[in-house]
Amino acid sequence: NAGVTQTPKFRILKIGQSMTLQCTQDMNHNYMYWYRQDPGMGLKLIYYSVGAGITDKGEVPNGYNVSRSTTEDFPLRLELAAPSQTSVYFCASSYSQGNSGNTIYFGEGSWLTVV
Amino acid sequence: AQSVTQPDIHITVSEGASLELRCNYSYGATPYLFWYVQSPGQGLQLLLKYFSGDTLVQGIKGFEAEFKRSQSSFNLRKPSVHWSDAAEYFCARFTSGTYKYIFGTGTRLKVLA
Repeated sequence: NAGVTQTPKFRILKIGQSMTLQCTQDMNHNYMYWYRQDPGMGLKLIYYSVGAGITDKGEVPNGYNVSRSTTEDFPLRLELAAPSQTSVYFCASSYSQGNSGNTIYFGEGSWLTVV
Repeated sequence: AQSVTQPDIHITVSEGASLELRCNYSYGATPYLFWYVQSPGQGLQLLLKYFSGDTLVQGIKGFEAEFKRSQSSFNLRKPSVHWSDAAEYFCARFTSGTYKYIFGTGTRLKVLA
């Protein structure tokens, strides 16, 4: 079972470069999320999506963009990389009906360094 | 704003000792609560979850957690810790009405042989 798949796993970017972190899930989940994890800070929500064509900002959206053209895919775009975006990025997904919560499943993470 | 607090940043226990990791959540209706574990360089794995019903929930790897509404707590326990339990543990809640999962800042567990 693939679950949530993120690519790349590791990447080094130069300041000002752009890149896209890819995320795909094969569980037919309607909700998808991008988090960043910094030491001692836990996970901070960047963007989330409750279905194809619907995205919304989380706690720390500045410097990022997302799209959700299909149920399966939720790419995260960094337009002008900055050292502050050095972090570990996690994509996650869950299936929820109505207003209820459910287990959220994580990818293995993408380690991004901006130099 | 609804939040999750893990008061302990680091905890060290001896192998075989009991463990309790604390988690407090801010007030909110219908809390959906979770504990996740993260080993170094890995993603997050679900240990257990509470949605409703029995307030003592059992999870994988011998972990359990107890939901106490009066204390707004969802503490994680294990009666006898193994060296392989060394990891970082995150408490999380699903926030009804916002579609968001909010995570605590994590507790890093060190196990002494």
